Amino acid sequence: AQKVTQAQTEISVVEKEDVTLDCVYETRDTTYYLFWYKQPPSGELVFLIRRNSFDEQNEISGRYSWNFQKSTSSFNFTITASQVVDSAVYFCALLTGTASKLTFGTGTRLQVTL
Amino acid sequence: DVKVTQSSRYLVKRTGEKVFLECVQDMDHENMFWYRQDPGLGLRLIYFSYDVKMKEKGDIPEGYSVSREKKERFSLILESASTNQTSMYLCASRRQGGGSPLHFGNGTRLTVT
Repeated sequence: AQKVTQAQTEISVVEKEDVTLDCVYETRDTTYYLFWYKQPPSGELVFLIRRNSFDEQNEISGRYSWNFQKSTSSFNFTITASQVVDSAVYFCALLTGTASKLTFGTGTRLQVTL
Repeated sequence: DVKVTQSSRYLVKRTGEKVFLECVQDMDHENMFWYRQDPGLGLRLIYFSYDVKMKEKGDIPEGYSVSREKKERFSLILESASTNQTSMYLCASRRQGGGSPLHFGNGTRLTVT
């Protein structure tokens, strides 16, 4: 069975702080994909990044970076110099090679204040 | 850009009513999904469809059914709405295979009174 755990239910930071959102996954498959989605107050989930199980390179996109570590089954997401517009619920998700459906974590609500 | 359109943003229905939630995608995606989102529970998969006329139960199919007569349209049906089906419903689609991401609609907030 597949499982995604986002232990942080809610995080509050002040603008310009760095923040890391944790994601731990479980799967017995050797081929899988990991995703991060952002859900702003408007409600629509926005795709941020995908990583496959064979590519452990970290990725940076502007203020966003992702750290994928197979040894700890983690795929953490860091926002550098957070901004108010980063306030949203963030979901981590897992897609295994044998299925077409994503398993989502319960999400982390990030609140960035001035 | 992929566009996934859900027919209603807000719906209010009475207990026992039959409810149809409609979803249309414009990118010829093979796979379509219905999730419900509840506080503290994240997104839970209700049903999904690999292709036209094909459907698979997700994690919480009880009380729901689906229809996919055309590739672009995936309907979620609540045969007899109950108050515990009050929730946010999210439709998504993706291209089959290769770790393609899901693309989501804006969601339908359904209230059953």
